This record gives sequence, structure tokens and C-alpha cells, in this order.
Amino acid sequence: QVTLRESGPALVKPTQTLTLTCTFSGFSFNTIGMCINWIRQPPGKALEWLGHIYWDDDKFYNTSLKTRLTISKDTTKNQVVLTMTDMDPVDTATYYCAREYSTSGAFDYWGQGILVPVSA
Amino acid sequence: DIQMTQSPSSLSASIGDTVTITCQANQDITYYLNWYQQKPGKAPNLLISDASNLEPGVPSRFSGSGSGTDFTLTISSLQPEDIATYYCQGYDNRAPIRTFGPGTKVDLK
Repeated sequence: QVTLRESGPALVKPTQTLTLTCTFSGFSFNTIGMCINWIRQPPGKALEWLGHIYWDDDKFYNTSLKTRLTISKDTTKNQVVLTMTDMDPVDTATYYCAREYSTSGAFDYWGQGILVPVSA
Repeated sequence: DIQMTQSPSSLSASIGDTVTITCQANQDITYYLNWYQQKPGKAPNLLISDASNLEPGVPSRFSGSGSGTDFTLTISSLQPEDIATYYCQGYDNRAPIRTFGPGTKVDLK
């Protein structure tokens, strides 16, 4: 049974760095082709893809956010970590991690999401 | 980067209606187009991958078509549980970037 779960702070202040952890189970991240994505969704707005990391440690980021994003993995802990620097109230959103394991670029399993408010 | 548009942004339909949502990419993405359903307070759920491949467990009233830049999601005989927001997501296999459309909200007339 594949599961993913996001964890992180309940509140972030402006200018701080956000660190979120995606803990997964039910599959091995050492499998060729495996990928974990991060997606966010501001309240009442659309989904926005942030970036992803592959089984071989290749990483790619949303062009407009890439200067602020870092994604890393710890396969021994079955975790993927997202850091986003210089947080602003406009970054208030539900942040999701999602698995991708196909050539179609489709996200077949998602975490439940974590709401991260950014406020002083 | 690829850009995705969807139309309409929202629609109202009756139970039993056929609902059609379109998605357009600003460049040729062949068939690398996926559709998701999202209900309030929940994570999105993958419905269709590779433009027309129905995911396991998804009702057969959902179907997808298209290739290149123009794609369609069709719900034949709308059911109450289909009330949700639908997102397309494109993938340019020449650059490993994923992009979502702005979404289409479906509610009951």
C-alpha cells in the first residue's frame, strides 16, 4: 500500500525558510524511474507544480521559483525534503507531495497535504 | 515552459448530462496530458493519463481524448459524486517540467 505524508511547521513568518518533509512507504525510491514531486495550492486557487527529484538524484524546479527551492532525498529514511527560502504571505498554500512512476508524468499517489500559513 | 489553458473555468450541469472540458497546451506535447479530479479539502486524484488512459478504479463514464495541443475530458451521464474541480496537467518530455491548467469547477444546475 503506497502512502505519502507531508509534515512541517504550522506557521512560517515572512522571510523565513520553509522546510517540509514527505515521508513515504509502500515503494522503493531506488526503483528506476521513481520520482517524487512537490505541488502547492493557495486557498481557493489552482495547483502549481514546484519541482521534483528522481531516483538517481536528478532534480528539476519550476522556472519561476527555482532560485528559492531545494529538493533532497534520504532514501534510508524514505523521505524527500523541500526547502523554500524567503517565504512571503503569498506563499500561503497547501503543499502536497506526490509520486510519479510512469512515462506519462502523471502523479498516481498523493499525500493529504499540509497547510502552511505565512504570517507575522 | 509549456503553458496550459482550460475552458470553461466553471460550468453547471444536471445529473445525467454529458460534460465536456477542454485543455490546450501552447506547444505540441503529443499525448503527455493527464487529468485530475479534486474535491474540496482533498488531494487531487488521477483520472486519466496519457490523454486517454483511464486509471484503475475510475468509472467508465470518464474519458479523455486528444493529442498535440488540444485535449478533452468528457463525463458522460454526470453523477452527484462528480461535483469537483478538474485539472489538466501537461508534460513536455523534452524538458522535465510539469504544468497544471487553471482548473474547471463543475457544479450542479
